[in-house]
Amino acid sequence: ILNVEQSPQSLHVQEGDSTNFTCSFPSSNFYALHWYRWETAKSPEALFVMTLNGDEKKKGRISATLNTKEGYSYLYIKGSQPEDSATYLCASNPSDDYKLSFGAGTTVTVRA
Amino acid sequence: NAGVTQTPKFQVLKTGQSMTLQCAQDMNHNSMYWYRQDPGMGLRLIYYSASEGTTDKGEVPNGYNVSRLNKREFSLRLESAAPSQTSVYFCASSGERASQETQYFGPGTRLLVL
Repeated sequence: ILNVEQSPQSLHVQEGDSTNFTCSFPSSNFYALHWYRWETAKSPEALFVMTLNGDEKKKGRISATLNTKEGYSYLYIKGSQPEDSATYLCASNPSDDYKLSFGAGTTVTVRA
Repeated sequence: NAGVTQTPKFQVLKTGQSMTLQCAQDMNHNSMYWYRQDPGMGLRLIYYSASEGTTDKGEVPNGYNVSRLNKREFSLRLESAAPSQTSVYFCASSGERASQETQYFGPGTRLLVL
């Protein structure tokens, strides 16, 4: 069982502000890092899969970076909008297989 | 294109009853997964199937069995439900190994065991 931690557990952001939060994973066991966006009453939806140290990926106003040497990934939301309100999950693979270990998520609430 | 579908959406069971959760995907994916999600915890892998005809245990397999009926369908069975199995169950699929591709999730099944 891989220990994947996310912080903070929740955060509130004013509409238009930018924010970021962290996913930590054991740097000694890493193969891939996934980010998912999970809206209430819906299914988790994939945002990014990253594998290389220094990877940066972007999807609209959301971007992510990866540091495999120190074992963390940041997710950034630029100019938050109410539709960005969701729980953001990260998950890591310690090896090239089928088992993802998920963090508990960061719940983002964007206030208008 | 329906993606990943799950039935039922909601179920109430009494302790000791059995039931099967159904999952199907229409994306021609090789790999399928069953997760459970509990408050304050991340998704935990129950079982997965790397390809048709194979199944393997995940992190929390006790109390569950699975069947990969064909490439499209992957079912999860609770033989004797316990209150500890109250949870939201998600089925997912991916084309290849989770280390290489994103997973696509179904809408979930909410299970309450009394």
